[in-house]
Amino acid sequence: DQQVKQNSPSLSVQEGRISILNCDYTNSMFDYFLWYKKYPAEGPTFLISISSIKDKNEDGRFTVFLNKSAKHLSLHIVPSQPGDSAVYFCAASPFGGGADGLTFGKGTHLIIQP
Amino acid sequence: DTAVSQTPKYLVTQMGNDKSIKCEQNLGHDTMYWYKQDSKKFLKIMFSYNNKELIINETVPNRFSPKSPDKAHLNLHINSLELGDSAVYFCASSLDPTRTDTQYFGPGTRLTVL
Repeated sequence: DQQVKQNSPSLSVQEGRISILNCDYTNSMFDYFLWYKKYPAEGPTFLISISSIKDKNEDGRFTVFLNKSAKHLSLHIVPSQPGDSAVYFCAASPFGGGADGLTFGKGTHLIIQP
Repeated sequence: DTAVSQTPKYLVTQMGNDKSIKCEQNLGHDTMYWYKQDSKKFLKIMFSYNNKELIINETVPNRFSPKSPDKAHLNLHINSLELGDSAVYFCASSLDPTRTDTQYFGPGTRLTVL
């Protein structure tokens, strides 16, 4: 049973445009959400996070939006750059549940075209 | 300096063998984890340790035995390897198990069982 779903296995976006990656979750206990970026043959690296008390968090070109009632979050990258081409994982954890580990989605492969 | 390191990066072995994967973090974190990324690209938590003590064991077969000689190390020993154990194994660490901190991942170990 997938508790975190990323329904788009891949996404292709033109350089300079906005990339929007989506994530849905089913577990109401999830309270903290993270996006990780992964290049081939490397481990996931943390990108941006959001707590459920917020609906938006911004860091440079990256913004994460959280719609708690819809159990949906999205990552916006603007403008998209070639170096953004990677697999993006959405992850979630319950509040105070760091020791439970993160529950990951299957990832979305973002391809930025020149 | 590498924050979370794993050895080896690649491991090819025969069914029935016993093998170990080592993980070390130099971040001073209290909590360490093992994740498995299977052929369907799911990243799933296997174990978490806090201060050398097991916290989470997510229905992993007994053939998998994590060992934490100290806070900075969490090694994964696998007995009687099976074909289905082929996957990429990621070690991760976080500051504190009770907070929703981000986790820092190692580069992964690609295990292939023939």
